[in-house]
Amino acid sequence: DAGVIQSPRHEVTEMGQEVTLRCKPISGHDYLFWYRQTMMRGLELLIYFNNNVPIDDSGMPEDRFSAKMPNASFSTLKIQPSEPRDSAVYFCASRKTGGAQTQYFGPGTRLLVL
Amino acid sequence: SQKIEQNSEALNIQEGKTATLTCNYTNYSPAYLQWYRQDPGRGPVFLLLIRENEKEKRKERLKVTFDTTLKQSLFHITASQPADSATYLCALSPTLGAGSYQLTFGKGTKLSVIP
Repeated sequence: DAGVIQSPRHEVTEMGQEVTLRCKPISGHDYLFWYRQTMMRGLELLIYFNNNVPIDDSGMPEDRFSAKMPNASFSTLKIQPSEPRDSAVYFCASRKTGGAQTQYFGPGTRLLVL
Repeated sequence: SQKIEQNSEALNIQEGKTATLTCNYTNYSPAYLQWYRQDPGRGPVFLLLIRENEKEKRKERLKVTFDTTLKQSLFHITASQPADSATYLCALSPTLGAGSYQLTFGKGTKLSVIP
């Protein structure tokens, strides 16, 4: 299995620009999670989906952030407009119902907003 | 509010010694607790899971304890090696039910094993 795939791995953009991060979960996994990691706040859950449906988006910082999961093999996290304080590493993780209660993380997207 | 604390931001230890990392939590009743390893530039990788009714879990050189009275978990790496150098994160999941698939992570402890 290829594991969770994220793209791009690195993104540098200017303040005010739209940023789209992409994630492909492990095949057969029905839960998908988006996290943000910073030195100050650690790893924070932004939103998670079950069977492509958003379950809890209470961690999304503000309306500038949105996430979609149009099908079981693809999800996006969009920031519009981006701000310097959005600079962080964004991780996508997936897991499946039942089985081990563990999440499988992608390699992350390192975002820098200038 | 719920809080997870990993007591040390960084821990340096001599090769061959046992490394002990601490995870404390407040205002939380976790169903289970997990430990992850994160290397620079990579995503966290699952290591061990322990349930609320378990006191101890082992896997090779790793050992995890879980004390729900003290609200604390200890993570031990015996016979530590330089390759064990990484950041270790603890993560809690609430009591089974709604939201039980969510994990809340501590900020991590960066372990450095010195040859």
